[in-house]
Amino acid sequence: QQQVKQSPQSLIVQKGGISIINCAYENTAFDYFPWYQQFPGKGPALLIAIRPDVSEKKEGRFTISFNKSAKQFSLHIMDSQPGDSATYFCAASKRTGNQFYFGTGTSLTVIP
Amino acid sequence: DVKVTQSSRYLVKRTGEKVFLECVQDMDHENMFWYRQDPGLGLRLIYFSYDVKMKEKGDIPEGYSVSREKKERFSLILESASTNQTSMYLCASKILHTEAFFGQGTRLTVV
Repeated sequence: QQQVKQSPQSLIVQKGGISIINCAYENTAFDYFPWYQQFPGKGPALLIAIRPDVSEKKEGRFTISFNKSAKQFSLHIMDSQPGDSATYFCAASKRTGNQFYFGTGTSLTVIP
Repeated sequence: DVKVTQSSRYLVKRTGEKVFLECVQDMDHENMFWYRQDPGLGLRLIYFSYDVKMKEKGDIPEGYSVSREKKERFSLILESASTNQTSMYLCASKILHTEAFFGQGTRLTVV
């Protein structure tokens, strides 16, 4: 069973547009929610992460919005650029656990 | 700089061969992981280890085993490779409550 559900599977956005990727989870014990970015031929790398004590975290053009009551979180990429074209994974982990539970990934293509 | 190194970028093996994928981290992390990545399925956990000689099964351990004799090294073993094990394999390491650091991946093709 997928502990973290991610959508959409793929996304095409015009340069300068906003890219939005959504994730949902069921386990209320999760307390750390990172987003990973993966370029072709590379391993995933941490992009931005949030803990449930805040509803939003922003780093440059990347923002995580977190809705604890709905058990949902999303990644917003403002002013999307062709260099943002990559696969994005959301994930969740528990304070008492070691492992991450990953979403199925979103392939983002930003067209010039 | 943090580093997780996987021994091979690309591997081609024959059905039935025993295959070893090696991973080394230089961050003194307790936890190490092996994932496989397939299109549309995301990252699926095969095994993880939280200490030397300790291991836990992940979501898809069948057909795989692991070895962790030293803290910095975590090996994934395919006892008898099959074509359905053709995939991208990713190693990661972390300490508790922090991000995971990934290697560059090993693309394994079993023919």
